[in-house]
Amino acid sequence: GESVGLHLPTLSVQEGDNSIINCAYSNSASDYFIWYKQESGKGPQFIIDIRSNMDKRQGQRVTVLLNKTVKHLSLQIAATQPGDSAVYFCAEMTTDSWGKLQFGAGTQVVVTP
Amino acid sequence: DADVTQTPRNRITKTGKRIMLECSQTKGHDRMYWYRQDPGLGLRLIYYSFDVKDINKGEISDGYSVSRQAQAKFSLSLESAIPNQTALYFCATSDRAKGEAFFGQGTRLTVV
Repeated sequence: GESVGLHLPTLSVQEGDNSIINCAYSNSASDYFIWYKQESGKGPQFIIDIRSNMDKRQGQRVTVLLNKTVKHLSLQIAATQPGDSAVYFCAEMTTDSWGKLQFGAGTQVVVTP
Repeated sequence: DADVTQTPRNRITKTGKRIMLECSQTKGHDRMYWYRQDPGLGLRLIYYSFDVKDINKGEISDGYSVSRQAQAKFSLSLESAIPNQTALYFCATSDRAKGEAFFGQGTRLTVV
């Protein structure tokens, strides 16, 4: 029979606008977090990471914010470009299970002209 | 050349067949992983290996086995493939000191 997949949350953004992608993580013991970008037909690519002793980290056009109180992570992309269209995953890890990443379900970002 | 190479990239196999997916890396990392990706479910860990003599089950290891033939090679086997193993499979590597994982391009497996 036909399988029915889950639909990813989708964020539609106009080119040039800022994007904010949110992630609620599950484990209060997690102390390392990564955002990955996955383009169609490719493997996930590292964007930026943050450790639990920080609440903000900036990269090139991207900023990650961490709120440990509510177990929330966000990725902000400045001046979104067509090449930013992809699925974005947050991933978490604990020191006790170093190397074992737990991934969220992902958010599809669609950049419109 | 890709740092993490998976073969084959696409495979269609029949129910009950044995199939092996291969992964090799040139990053010099000790740690290697196999993940499975289903639509809308993110990536789930099947097996991982922290060095050549170390093999560990992940959250969805049933129906799978692995072999770490060398530091650079980590293969995933489905002993008797079933249709619900149809998915996208990713190999990844990481350095023991850093959490960041580097992924291959993926293998799209279809079991009919």
